[in-house]
Amino acid sequence: SAVISQKPSRDICQRGTSLTIQCQVDSQVTMMFWYRQQPGQSLTLIATANQGSEATYESGFVIDKFPISRPNLTFSTLTVSNMSPEDSSIYLCSAALTSGANVLTFGAGSRLTVL
Amino acid sequence: RKEVEQDPGPFNVPEGATVAFNCTYSNSASQSFFWYRQDCRKEPKLLMSVYSSGNEDGRFTAQLNRASQYISLLIRDSKLSDSATYLCVVVRGSTLGRLYFGRGTQLTVWP
Repeated sequence: SAVISQKPSRDICQRGTSLTIQCQVDSQVTMMFWYRQQPGQSLTLIATANQGSEATYESGFVIDKFPISRPNLTFSTLTVSNMSPEDSSIYLCSAALTSGANVLTFGAGSRLTVL
Repeated sequence: RKEVEQDPGPFNVPEGATVAFNCTYSNSASQSFFWYRQDCRKEPKLLMSVYSSGNEDGRFTAQLNRASQYISLLIRDSKLSDSATYLCVVVRGSTLGRLYFGRGTQLTVWP
């Protein structure tokens, strides 16, 4: 059974629109992470979603473009705003399900295509 | 220079073959190392951690050379089910969740 579920699993969107991806974890976790995997590229960390505080963004990613919510210890959303074809990618939610370990479990990903 | 560089592959090997993947990392402060496996159109999943002393898990052996900043994965007696993309992953420091992924090495095992 899946411990991290994401939706939508895929979507096709028009340029200029926004899409919100939801991520649900079966257990409470302190931090959740959002990664992006562009075609033929490695996974890149977008931001860390902290419960009760603002997300921490990596270099090259900004809150206006990728706003993140973390209302509780089992749920997070990532919004891809004002989309362009360059945002076409797989977006993956992840969490460290083993306390203190730097081993991440990933959701199945949300495959986004922007036309 | 990229944080993690891998053999691009693809590697195409027959069942039963032994295959080795290599990976180098650029930051000497890196502290933790992993191999993840990603099946086609699926999410990455942990294959094994990599320890300084080297470690083995069944047919899989991982080695780390800190001096050369080099990580390897050896697969013996390849199975069809080993076909996947293998991702070299490095963690710099102790910040939880900040993993640096290589682009992956694609392996196809044929009957």
